[in-house]
Amino acid sequence: QKEVEQDPGPLSVPEGAIVSLNCTYSNSAFQYFMWYRQYSRKGPELLMYTYSSGNKEDGRFTAQVDKSSKYISLFIRDSQPSDSATYLCAMRKQAGTALIFGKGTTLSVSS
Amino acid sequence: DGGITQSPKYLFRKEGQNVTLSCEQNLNHDAMYWYRQDPGQGLRLIYYSQIVNDFQKGDIAEGYSVSREKKESFPLTVTSAQKNPTAFYLCASSTGDSPNTEAFFGQGTRLTVV
Repeated sequence: QKEVEQDPGPLSVPEGAIVSLNCTYSNSAFQYFMWYRQYSRKGPELLMYTYSSGNKEDGRFTAQVDKSSKYISLFIRDSQPSDSATYLCAMRKQAGTALIFGKGTTLSVSS
Repeated sequence: DGGITQSPKYLFRKEGQNVTLSCEQNLNHDAMYWYRQDPGQGLRLIYYSQIVNDFQKGDIAEGYSVSREKKESFPLTVTSAQKNPTAFYLCASSTGDSPNTEAFFGQGTRLTVV
């Protein structure tokens, strides 16, 4: 079993839809959780960062961490065509240690 | 502007050659990382360094080497021993201080073997 599992999609939604992206993980030692957005041929851009459990909201984006279920989510409200990208979840056990990534979910938002 | 700079953006290598990818950061981050990205594979860790003059192998270190002589710089050498080097290479950095330990990425180097 991989440490971090993420459905690669692709996921296609109409403009304005609510998008839910998810990752599961197997190691309960993970404490730091991140979501990145990556456009084609570009480096990943940090979207959301959460330490330990709970919710975090930033504009149209909400990140949730459920450590008891080893499950993290990213919600995108009022999705836009500019949200079309690959979304990568990442996590780490301790500060400064390596990030472990999911394989990424490709999202397409049509106008 | 603070950030991470990778160069070159595109690199072509002949069979049997070593090439070095540059990664420089001015964020005063202690930790730096190299990842390789292949289609459908996600990001796989090659090497990482938590402090100057120290680094650790990641999951796919064979055929690669690194150095960390300065805090700002973490170059990656792709040696001739790496059998399938064509890929997108990404460098990242982060602080070592919990809990503000987000990692930021450069724009990548696309390496192609010709």
